[in-house]
Amino acid sequence: GENVEQHPSTLSVQEGDSAVIKCTYSDSASNYFPWYKQELGKRPQLIIDIRSNVGEKKDQRIAVTLNKTAKHFSLHITETQPEDSAVYFCAASTGNQFYFGTGTSLTVIP
Amino acid sequence: DAGITQSPRHKVTETGTPVTLRCHQTENHRYMYWYRQDPGHGLRLIHYSYGVKDTDKGEVSDGYSVSRSKTEDFLLTLESATSSQTSVYFCAISGGLRGNEQFFGPGTRLTVL
Repeated sequence: GENVEQHPSTLSVQEGDSAVIKCTYSDSASNYFPWYKQELGKRPQLIIDIRSNVGEKKDQRIAVTLNKTAKHFSLHITETQPEDSAVYFCAASTGNQFYFGTGTSLTVIP
Repeated sequence: DAGITQSPRHKVTETGTPVTLRCHQTENHRYMYWYRQDPGHGLRLIHYSYGVKDTDKGEVSDGYSVSRSKTEDFLLTLESATSSQTSVYFCAISGGLRGNEQFFGPGTRLTVL
């Protein structure tokens, strides 16, 4: 089955700096790659996603890039703010099943 | 929140007792999932459903069973709860108007003493 690895497990940045979280996947059949943000005690919330026919997607301060050849994808958050502090999960899907990374705890220091 | 609810939201039970968690959706999504979330493990799939009475196992299905008799309800049963099943359980849905996008319920915190 699919194996998704996520790095780093923890990340601290100064407010205003950028944050990058990276994931790799193993199954070349995966074609959908969502990212979730989970605040403490809350449910994971979809923040951005990318499909395998696209190399990059942006939504305001967040962007995701996908390299199908290397089987890796990344989340980029620019101009970080304290409210970006949360745990972020990547996932890979072939359509019906989703495989998650183990999460990155992001702390934005004011 | 994509019209998805879970009940109960919190439960404390004793080892050996049966437990049933309920997931309810109002938007006619085809796929429903049960995950457990534990520190250091992220979200792990227990079982999922691709239609009424159609279910399949995920990576951590031992000790769990599921049923889906109606499109809107997906039940997760622990036949005989163990302390290792103490966790936060999330239901999720996908396959609605937004296709692959998966949305999560609010979660159920289960403690097995």
